[in-house]
Amino acid sequence: ELKVEQNPLFLSMQEGKNYTIYCNYSTTSDRLYWYRQDPGKSLESLFVLLSNGAVKQEGRLMASLDTKARLSTLHITAAVHDLSATYFCAVDMAGNTGKLIFGQGTTLQVKP
Amino acid sequence: DAGVTQSPTHLIKTRGQQVTLRCSPKSGHDTVSWYQQALGQGPQFIFQYYEEEERQRGNFPDRFSGHQFPNYSSELNVNALLLGDSALYLCASSLFGGQIYNSPLHFGNGTRLTVT
Repeated sequence: ELKVEQNPLFLSMQEGKNYTIYCNYSTTSDRLYWYRQDPGKSLESLFVLLSNGAVKQEGRLMASLDTKARLSTLHITAAVHDLSATYFCAVDMAGNTGKLIFGQGTTLQVKP
Repeated sequence: DAGVTQSPTHLIKTRGQQVTLRCSPKSGHDTVSWYQQALGQGPQFIFQYYEEEERQRGNFPDRFSGHQFPNYSSELNVNALLLGDSALYLCASSLFGGQIYNSPLHFGNGTRLTVT
């Protein structure tokens, strides 16, 4: 059974600091997604990572994928309050099916 | 271009009752998936519909059933509601069409179901 684990589950950080969220998954997959969820809201797609070594950046967020290590990271650079949200990684169950297995989520709180 | 729309936004039901949730996919999408998100948890896959048939199913009991209509919209039905069914139910659409699927799922705003 595919398992997806994120850490940390909760992250409180000061504005301007850098930090990394880790996402480990238990079986082979080369298709990983990062989503953002604000309280009471739906999921917003951030990144789609499709191959080993893939790196994508949008603003202060950068995501990478290492399929050999079964690890994805979401790096936050110079955090700002607007980045406060819950971040989920998700892995496609069988590579290309649209059936996603989500991690537990990492709640990020950025303090001024 | 309308995104994924779900109705109703909130619903309160009593244990043992039945509920139907509705979803209209993003324009141009042909596949609908349903997810259950309990408070403080990540979404869990319920099932996926394509060409009006259930194509994949997660680890949910038969009390959870669905339907997809010719216009690609979908319904999620839950029978004999339990307190544990209280959650945010998310609908997600995508374009599959049997070909390579590279785009992320587009999620609706969800239906918040409370079972008392």
